[in-house]
Formats: sequence, structure tokens, C-alpha cells
Amino acid sequence: QVQLVQSGEEVKKPGASVKVSCKAFGYSFKSYGITWARQAPGQGLEWIGWINAYDGATNHTHGLRGRVAMTTDTSTSTAYLELRGLRPDDTATYYCARQKTTGIDYWGQGSLVTVSS
Amino acid sequence: SYELTQPSSVSVSPGQTARITCSGNILTKKYVRWFQQKPGQAPQLLIHQDTERPSGIPERFSGSSSGTTATLTLTGAQVDDDADYYCYSMADNIGVFGGGTRLTVL
Repeated sequence: QVQLVQSGEEVKKPGASVKVSCKAFGYSFKSYGITWARQAPGQGLEWIGWINAYDGATNHTHGLRGRVAMTTDTSTSTAYLELRGLRPDDTATYYCARQKTTGIDYWGQGSLVTVSS
Repeated sequence: SYELTQPSSVSVSPGQTARITCSGNILTKKYVRWFQQKPGQAPQLLIHQDTERPSGIPERFSGSSSGTTATLTLTGAQVDDDADYYCYSMADNIGVFGGGTRLTVL
């Protein structure tokens, strides 16, 4: 069955970078995209961007442009989200989700990233 | 940029019907999806393409859309449906979530 398994919890200092991974199982990885979203503690979902696993094309939210990079490794069916210049307000649970033409369906379990000095 | 607006909270008694709305101009040309999120869990897809229910989702969940407003209807609410609900849509390769609605069943 379709499953997205994300990397574990991270604690980072302000200004550092973090790279979250999302490994896909149970479907043809290159036939879909991966969307990234985040959720600050007690807050709603925020769309970050998505990457087309077939050709690597990406689209980002304007708010994080310049600090975020999304990549894939099709040989391991893994997507990556890197966020640079971390700030305390980047503290959130980061989710990956499978992106179809019509929208997202399956989600990873989430990766908590804490930014604190 | 696009925006989707949801009520912050809705309350319903067990066995009654709850309706959660999602409003935004994007909905006149794009489909909406609905997700349920329980504490400490990842979101789960409830409705796609405005009205379609994935396999395994109970029939008490249904969706509709007209003009700039989409509605998630829960018919015969159960205590287990107490959760946060988010609408979502996408246009021009940019996705957007509604702010979320806290559904309280009591």
C-alpha cells in the first residue's frame, strides 16, 4: 500500500539548515509529485511547495522563497526538503504528501523541527 | 495569491448534522479537497474533487460545492469525528489550505 515515511525529529539553532527526507513506498515514485506542508504548534496547515518527481520541476510559496529547496532521488524514491537560515518561527511539524494531478492524497507521518538557541 | 476561509469552530451533538464551509474565489474554477486531522496525527483525505469519497471513508461524510463556497457535511456525527478539518485547493501550481475548523462533538 502507499506509504510515505519521513525522517525523525530535529533540533537546530537559529541560522542553521535542516534537511527532511520522505521515502515513498507502494507506488511508482516518478508518476507523482511530492507536496511539502508544515504546521506550527497549535496552528493550521501551511503549504510550502511541491516537486514533480518525473522532471524535478518545483513551485514554492512566496513566503519561503530563497530559503527552501526541494529535491528528489528517484533511485531511492525519496524526496527531500531543505530549509536554510532557520528562525524560531520555522519551528513546526513538516509533512510530505503525494501529489496527484488533482491534488494531494497520502501523507507522511510528519517530522518535528525545533529551532531554538 | 489565493485564500480559503473556514469558520474557526463548529459544534454538533452526537447524531446530528454538521456543516463546515470553505470559501474562496479559487473554488469557482478548481476542485476542493477535505482533510481530517486528529491530535498527533497526520491529515487524512476525506473528500476529493468536491464530492468524491475515497474508499474506506464513511458515507456520513459528503461534500458539495457551488460558486465560491464548498461544504463538508457530516450526517449523524459521532464522538470519533471530533477533530480538525481543512479544505485545500490548487491553482497555477500553487496550493492553499483553509485555516482549519475545529469540530467539537458533544
